[in-house]
Amino acid sequence: SQTIHQWPATLVQPVGSPLSLECTVEGTSNPNLYWYRQAAGRGLQLLFYSVGIGQISSEVPQNLSASRPQDRQFILSSKKLLLSDSGFYLCAWSLHTSTDTQYFGPGTRLTVL
Amino acid sequence: DAKTTQPTSMDCAEGRAANLPCNHSTISGNEYVYWYRQIHSQGPQYIIHGLKNNETNEMASLIITEDRKSSTLILPHATLRDTAVYYCIVRTSTGANSKLTFGKGITLSVRP
Repeated sequence: SQTIHQWPATLVQPVGSPLSLECTVEGTSNPNLYWYRQAAGRGLQLLFYSVGIGQISSEVPQNLSASRPQDRQFILSSKKLLLSDSGFYLCAWSLHTSTDTQYFGPGTRLTVL
Repeated sequence: DAKTTQPTSMDCAEGRAANLPCNHSTISGNEYVYWYRQIHSQGPQYIIHGLKNNETNEMASLIITEDRKSSTLILPHATLRDTAVYYCIVRTSTGANSKLTFGKGITLSVRP
């Protein structure tokens, strides 16, 4: 069966510091991968998605970037964090099927101080 | 994607069925109804989805009206662990960029 991992689970970073969040998927090949952010009390916002190695699509302009160095690895990065980057970051995966149901990881709680 | 409307909250006694309604009156013919839930501080969990026909799996049943303008998620025997925010989402499955748009959902509280 497929599993998705995210780390770290929680992170507290100062404003202006860099960020690297990692997501890995096991048990499947060539998945679609997604990064979402959930701000406190709000819905999920899609940040990036990837259909394959090195292929990244950005949904909204922001202070963040994403990379997919390996088939089942998705990384979310920032060179300089802003206060507004605080939130709950979720990675998700789906298969390349007609209904491509998305399955979410456990999330990373990021607090920027 | 079509918008959905859900009540803000509801409660249910443990062991009883929980029926969670969702209105999606502007749904298009090629849009699916998806349900996810999110337990506090965890990632959303996929529950079930459907297009026209009623669906059932090990977690829940999804009843979609004939005109597809509304649906009901049924948890047949609610437990305390089912307390969560439940999201009804309507989306077109057109590939990787078919993003999920989560609204505020309905908070289900299961009481002992």
